[in-house]
Amino acid sequence: DAGVIQSPRHEVTEMGQEVTLRCKPISGHNSLFWYRQTMMRGLELLIYFNNNVPIDDSGMPEDRFSAKMPNASFSTLKIQPSEPRDSAVYFCASSFGAGLSYEQYFGPGTRLTVT
Amino acid sequence: SQQGEEDPQALSIQEGENATMNCSYKTSINNLQWYRQNSGRGLVHLILIRSNEREKHSGRLRVTLDTSKKSSSLLITASRAADTASYFCATNQAGTALIFGKGTTLSVSS
Repeated sequence: DAGVIQSPRHEVTEMGQEVTLRCKPISGHNSLFWYRQTMMRGLELLIYFNNNVPIDDSGMPEDRFSAKMPNASFSTLKIQPSEPRDSAVYFCASSFGAGLSYEQYFGPGTRLTVT
Repeated sequence: SQQGEEDPQALSIQEGENATMNCSYKTSINNLQWYRQNSGRGLVHLILIRSNEREKHSGRLRVTLDTSKKSSSLLITASRAADTASYFCATNQAGTALIFGKGTTLSVSS
């Protein structure tokens, strides 16, 4: 298995632009998580899906952030409009099982820089 | 709110030495997991210990859990340069997602 796939690996954009991050979870996994990692705040859970349904989006910073999972093999995290404080590494992770106690498999991350 | 807190924040040792990292948490948990992150990479799951377990081994890794003290430790024996990474504990309460600590940065020099 190729593991969790994220694209792009690096994204540099100007403030105000729309940014879309993509994730393909491991086949057969039914939970998907989006995280953001910064030096200041560490690793923060933004949103997670179970069976393509958003379960908890309380970590989404504000309305500029949105996430979708149209099918079991694809998810997007969109930031519109982007701001410099959104600069971070964004990770997607997936796990197998309906509960939250299972080990998670992380993608390589997308390093976002907003100038 | 931050659940797991690792200690120390940074640790430097020589190859062959043992490395011990600690994690403290605030509320009751279902399980506790340890992850490793190499620089510029995603996190990799190392080991999961359930709340009713006290100790678990995996290769050179040994994890203990003391629910009365709300703490866990990760021991890496006979460390290697390749163990250089950040190590995170993550805790899970019933019905909630994993919460990660800020990590311990381990540096192993040869």
